Amino acid sequence: QSALTQPASVSGSPGQSITISCTGTSSDVGGYNYVSWYQQHPGKAPKLMIYDVSKRPSGVSNRFSGSKSGNTASLTISGLQAEDEADYYCSSYTSSSTWVFGGGTKLTVL
Amino acid sequence: EVQLVESGGGLVQPGGSLRLSCAASGFTFSSYWMSWVRQAPGKGLEWVANIKQDGSEKYYVDSVKGRFTISRDNAKNSLYLQMNSLRAEDTAVYYCARKGIAARHFDYWGQGTLVTVSS
Repeated sequence: QSALTQPASVSGSPGQSITISCTGTSSDVGGYNYVSWYQQHPGKAPKLMIYDVSKRPSGVSNRFSGSKSGNTASLTISGLQAEDEADYYCSSYTSSSTWVFGGGTKLTVL
Repeated sequence: EVQLVESGGGLVQPGGSLRLSCAASGFTFSSYWMSWVRQAPGKGLEWVANIKQDGSEKYYVDSVKGRFTISRDNAKNSLYLQMNSLRAEDTAVYYCARKGIAARHFDYWGQGTLVTVSS
């Protein structure tokens, strides 16, 4: 049950696009289309942004999109806005009927 | 409106026990798998445990197996986490989270309750 691998930090200017990667194994990310992404602002609870690799919950901006190739999933945020500055976590269902999260990526909007 | 409100956190000595509760409202609690997810100070999220709608299936992360027990009371719309033999590394904010129906993600989260294990 090793954590998924995410970059510790990414940054971008307002209006730009950024991509956060999330690498796992064939027992989690690569084995299922059950990758989800969560946004967490300081001191707040996580918020679901993407589920089942690329689906957006109602109310989440279409500036957020997800994809997957092999054992690596990605979250792309286009048209960066100041309020996007937060920590982002990927998560995957696993072959053990459990869940594993990534270590988190801090997004800084310059 | 879906609401999940955790309680029961606090300061406990190593080796001690604590029971967390999560009060659910705004949805049919008995229709959903429920989970606990924790976050150590300044660290990332870690899934801890989940429980089926009727309590018949439970799963745990390896690091808490044999020490933590997840349970629920559908009549009280409540989720619990009994934590025994607590260690310093169990110090974290513990979140209650709802797993979407027929889904593999967590669609609603509580605000969390802080558990500190220290002498």
